[in-house]
Amino acid sequence: AQSVTQPDARVTVSEGASLQLRCKYSSSVTPYLFWYVQYPRQGLQLLLKYYSGDPVVQGVNGFEAEFSKSNSSFHLRKASVHWSDSAVYFCAVSMDSNYQLIWGSGTKLIIKP
Amino acid sequence: NSKVIQTPRYLVKGQGQKAKMRCIPEKGHPVVFWYQQNKNNEFKFLINFQNQEVLQQIDMTEKRFSAECPSNSPCSLEIQSSEAGDSALYLCASSLDWGNQNTLYFGAGTRLSVL
Repeated sequence: AQSVTQPDARVTVSEGASLQLRCKYSSSVTPYLFWYVQYPRQGLQLLLKYYSGDPVVQGVNGFEAEFSKSNSSFHLRKASVHWSDSAVYFCAVSMDSNYQLIWGSGTKLIIKP
Repeated sequence: NSKVIQTPRYLVKGQGQKAKMRCIPEKGHPVVFWYQQNKNNEFKFLINFQNQEVLQQIDMTEKRFSAECPSNSPCSLEIQSSEAGDSALYLCASSLDWGNQNTLYFGAGTRLSVL
């Protein structure tokens, strides 16, 4: 069965600093990989997704993620965070066999001024 | 920005009461998912539809929930007899087509509190 681990429940970063949010997955085959962001009182929004090709995938608002098959990881990065990036970030995987998202437990991103 | 509309935003029910929530998917999106997000940010897939047909659902949904996506009306998810453990954020998402290559657009959710 697939599973997703986000080891950091909370990450605090200074505004303007770089960011990495970690995600590791467990799956017998490479799944579709997603990063979603959840702002307070708003719906989950897709930042980016990956299935194949270039392991570095670009997303919205300057986010990117890098897939590593050897490490079973899909870490999210941003070069310079803004206060508006404060939110909860979820990593998720999905298989074509059932098209249901398996979610990580989320990482709350706190931006220090 | 997502145009999936979920109502109500908040729902408070007593144990044993019915709890009904609605979802208007994005226009032209025939695929609809419902997920439950609890206070620990654990997500549970509940059910999905393509057009009006249920494609997948978990046992809990089949036994305790009533869900439908009629044509030209909002989709709905109703708990027949609410339990304390049902307190959660219920998320509806829609997609243009079946398959992971199609983006799921989520609504803001209905937050259910069962007292």
